[in-house]
Formats: sequence, structure tokens, C-alpha cells
Amino acid sequence: DAGITQSPRYKITETGRQVTLMCHQTWSHSYMFWYRQDLGHGLRLIYYSAAADITDKGEVPDGYVVSRSKTENFPLTLESATRSQTSVYFCASAGHEQYFGPGTRLTVT
Amino acid sequence: GNSVTQMEGPVTLSEEAFLTINCTYTATGYPSLFWYVQYPGEGLQLLLKATKADDKGSNKGFEATYRKETTSFHLEKGSVQVSDSAVYFCALRNDAGNMLTFGGGTRLMVKP
Repeated sequence: DAGITQSPRYKITETGRQVTLMCHQTWSHSYMFWYRQDLGHGLRLIYYSAAADITDKGEVPDGYVVSRSKTENFPLTLESATRSQTSVYFCASAGHEQYFGPGTRLTVT
Repeated sequence: GNSVTQMEGPVTLSEEAFLTINCTYTATGYPSLFWYVQYPGEGLQLLLKATKADDKGSNKGFEATYRKETTSFHLEKGSVQVSDSAVYFCALRNDAGNMLTFGGGTRLMVKP
């Protein structure tokens, strides 16, 4: 299916565990983004990528790692999850406009 | 730097009422402006956009006009439906690239 997908859609993990959120797009867009959405903070940019092997920090990058070895994939890793990283995470890709995935709801206990 | 300010919600309306959600921005250069909508449990979807001053974006009965003199991009709809209940985000994209700056979002609730 064409579009942008995220997996898993829901995840519960424990403090200190490593978690990877996956993002896949089928448009071959150069730009991809990771956001987190929290009540009272709106959408905040975590990391973005302008092309394969090119990534850069956004507004709130601490505690997160990204990679982009292929144009279509942009995984986000929480190396040691903390409760403050409980959030809804959105991936997006951009051609002329940004298109968003359905989101991953992550709970860190 | 760039910033977007939206009216705080929630906005509660009865079906068929007129909707206005205010959005103002601060940016250098000539940004493009967007409205995104987020339905419950879903990601954001592009609702409409405008790329230059005095442009009007429209979609699904929603409209917004790019007003450079007042740095505004207010969202309007003449007659809302229950199905319009969602969170609406105003955003701008600077000429420099694909980065979006979002407002805080406005929740709209439409009652039958």
C-alpha cells in the first residue's frame, strides 16, 4: 500500500529498556521527520532527515537516536526509555507537503 | 525565529454554526501556510494550504486566506458538522526547506 506506515501502533515498555519505533514510506520522499505529541505541548520535532545517511536534531532530541540507511525507512530508537518519553510519536515524510503516519502510542512504565 | 499562535480550545459549537479558528504567525521571508486536521486516534492530514499573500486555500467547506498585512491565516467554515470534530493545527513552512512550525492545536467539538 502506498503511503506512510508506523509500527507498532501501541507499545508498553519498562523504564530503562531500549525501544525502536519504525517508520516506512513508499513515496521516495527525501525528507522524513519524527515528532512527539503531548498534551499542552502540541507537536515537537525530535529529529529529521533530509536524505539517506543525513540526519539532524530537532527541538527535543535528547534520549533519542535515529538512522536512515534507506530512503524509505526512518527508525527512531529510545536507547533507555524514561517515563517522560511516554507520548504519541508521529513520523512524517515530505514532498511538496508533509504527510503523517498514524502514530505510535508509547507508554513507559 | 518562526512561531505560530492559535486560539486555545476547546471550541464547542452546535451543528450548522459558523466556525472561526484564529491563527497568527511570525516568520522571516515569505512562508507557506497550512492547516492540518487530526481526527481522534489518527495522524495529521493536510486540510488546506496557501503559498503566497492573498491566496485562499479551501477544502471540504473550510477556507483560510493568507493575510500578510496582519500575519494571519484564520480557518473558517460556514456550517460545521459533527464529523468536523477534531483538532486543527495551523503551521508554516519557511522558504528554507521542508521544516514545519506548528501552532499548539485547537480542539473543535461540534454537538448535534
